[in-house]
Amino acid sequence: EAGVVQSPRYKIIEKKQPVAFWCNPISGHNTLYWYRQNLGQGPELLIRYENEEAVDDSQLPKDRFSAERLKGVDSTLKIQPAELGDSAVYLCASSLATGDLPSGANVLTFGAGSRLTVL
Amino acid sequence: GIQVEQSPPDLILQEGANSTLRCNFSDSVNNLQWFHQNPWGQLINLFYIPSGTKQNGRLSATTVATERYSLLYISSSQTTDSGVYFCAVALNTGTASKLTFGTGTRLQVTL
Repeated sequence: EAGVVQSPRYKIIEKKQPVAFWCNPISGHNTLYWYRQNLGQGPELLIRYENEEAVDDSQLPKDRFSAERLKGVDSTLKIQPAELGDSAVYLCASSLATGDLPSGANVLTFGAGSRLTVL
Repeated sequence: GIQVEQSPPDLILQEGANSTLRCNFSDSVNNLQWFHQNPWGQLINLFYIPSGTKQNGRLSATTVATERYSLLYISSSQTTDSGVYFCAVALNTGTASKLTFGTGTRLQVTL
């Protein structure tokens, strides 16, 4: 079974340009997450989807970031326009559970990440 | 929000040595996971362990939820154990899937 697939793996752009990242979660996983990981730090949640609904986007900088998960499967994260401080690794993860079920179904599986460099 | 502290921040071991990594968190949790991020950046889930003890090969983990800490034990370390180990927790308030990560412990295992 394929894991969480992300593309592109690397992207270099100039500031003010747009960029988009794509994520295909594990088949059957209804919860999808986008995390951002700055150098030397742990991942920070940007947005969480349960099926096609964004249930937590409180940490998504909505002035320049947008995300969608059409049909509750694949997801796209967009930045427009990009700023120097957006340079980071953007990680997508998925899990089986929704809501607050205290079970192993909440185990997250991460993709390999998309490394963004803004010049 | 919940605070997650990991120690030590950096650790260098010789191959074959044992180590203990610690994760302290500031509030009650019902979801705690340990991850290993390899040198290529891939995050791999090691344990889902909101309480109790689990073992998987040379790795084991213990979470004492009432005292708000978790420990990850690595025995007979190998060079492939190198990377960053993250603890991630979620509050016991209906947001179980919103994991907050610590800053990690960077482990280097040398020959």
